[in-house]
Amino acid sequence: DAGVTQSPTHLIKTRGQHVTLRCSPISGHKSVSWYQQVLGQGPQFIFQYYEKEERGRGNFPDRFSARQFPNYSSELNVNALLLGDSALYLCASSFGQGRITDTQYFGPGTRLTVL
Amino acid sequence: AQKITQTQPGMFVQEKEAVTLDCTYDTSDPSYGLFWYKQPSSGEMIFLIYQGSYDQQNATEGRYSLNFQKARKSANLVISASQLGDSAMYFCARSYFGNEKLTFGTGTRLTIIP
Repeated sequence: DAGVTQSPTHLIKTRGQHVTLRCSPISGHKSVSWYQQVLGQGPQFIFQYYEKEERGRGNFPDRFSARQFPNYSSELNVNALLLGDSALYLCASSFGQGRITDTQYFGPGTRLTVL
Repeated sequence: AQKITQTQPGMFVQEKEAVTLDCTYDTSDPSYGLFWYKQPSSGEMIFLIYQGSYDQQNATEGRYSLNFQKARKSANLVISASQLGDSAMYFCARSYFGNEKLTFGTGTRLTIIP
């Protein structure tokens, strides 16, 4: 079975530009979450979407937005890129039942570099 | 903020030895989950093991086991018979009842020495 997929693998942008990252969840999973991992740190929660609705949002500015499509895939958009947005962006999928036992499975990530 | 603490930034272990990676957490919630993930240099976070706050027994998955001490708020990962492929970053994380946001620790870099 296919795992979580993300595209692109790597991306280089300049300050002020906009970026769109994509994620496809494991078949049968209805929830997608996005995390930002800056070098040397653990991942930080950005968003969770379930059945196309935002279920949770982390402490990130409004430049960050996301959406989920009817096929449960998701996009993360970041506007007005800053140097500090350089990071590995991880997508995770789960069944989305809201239980503490729901395990999130991660994709390979998109490495974003902002110059 | 409810914090996850991993006090060992790096560890070196001889191949075939057992290793314990420490994790402590803050919480005032009675219901939560604790997870361990492995992150090789490729970047992907690989799920290893899960422990629920109400679970009576410590979780085990193959060579991985979780030493869960609820009163001390610790959830240490034990890897038995370490292998060279175990060299990676290891992250402890917790979930919250009602949503699936994970809060991660800062990680421990494990290096297995042949």
